[in-house]
Amino acid sequence: AQSVTQPDIHITVSEGASLELRCNYSYGATPYLFWYVQSPGQGLQLLLKYFSGDTLVQGIKGFEAEFKRSQSSFNLRKPSVHWSDAAEYFCAVGATMNYGGSQGNLIFGKGTKLSVKP
Amino acid sequence: DAGVTQSPTHLIKTRGQHVTLRCSPISGHKSVSWYQQVLGQGPQFIFQYYEKEERGRGNFPDRFSARQFPNYSSELNVNALLLGDSALYLCASSFDNVAPLHFGNGTRLTVT
Repeated sequence: AQSVTQPDIHITVSEGASLELRCNYSYGATPYLFWYVQSPGQGLQLLLKYFSGDTLVQGIKGFEAEFKRSQSSFNLRKPSVHWSDAAEYFCAVGATMNYGGSQGNLIFGKGTKLSVKP
Repeated sequence: DAGVTQSPTHLIKTRGQHVTLRCSPISGHKSVSWYQQVLGQGPQFIFQYYEKEERGRGNFPDRFSARQFPNYSSELNVNALLLGDSALYLCASSFDNVAPLHFGNGTRLTVT
């Protein structure tokens, strides 16, 4: 069965420091991979996605993620964190295209809450 | 263009009651997915509708149902509410039958 593990429940970094949020997935084939961000009381905003091709993916707000098949990982990185990045981050895995299947079914991790120290 | 809009934003219901949540996708988007997010957890897939047909259903009881209208808006219905149904209900839309890329701000349902 598909699953997503985000090992860090809560991370605190200083403003201006680099950030790496970990994500490991379990899936029988190469999946579609996503990172979303959620501010308190808000919905999810897509940061970036990986469907195929270049394993280093650039997203919005200066975020990037690298797909490593051998490690079943899709870690999110940012070189310099801003106070406005404080939020909860979710990694998700989706089924690759198969005719008639549900592409709407994403499996989410439990999230990593990011706090930013001034 | 407006994003995914959900109504109401907040709702308080009593155990045993019924609730209807509404979602309007981004203009031109034909796929709508529903997710339940319990406090402290990641979202969990409930339904996907594409071109007004159910394309997927998550591991939720039959008390949960949904439909998609000709204008691609959608409703999620929950019958016989339980305390455990208290959650943030998220709607997401996509242009085609692909993964949900655009989420609304959700409806916060509290069951007392």
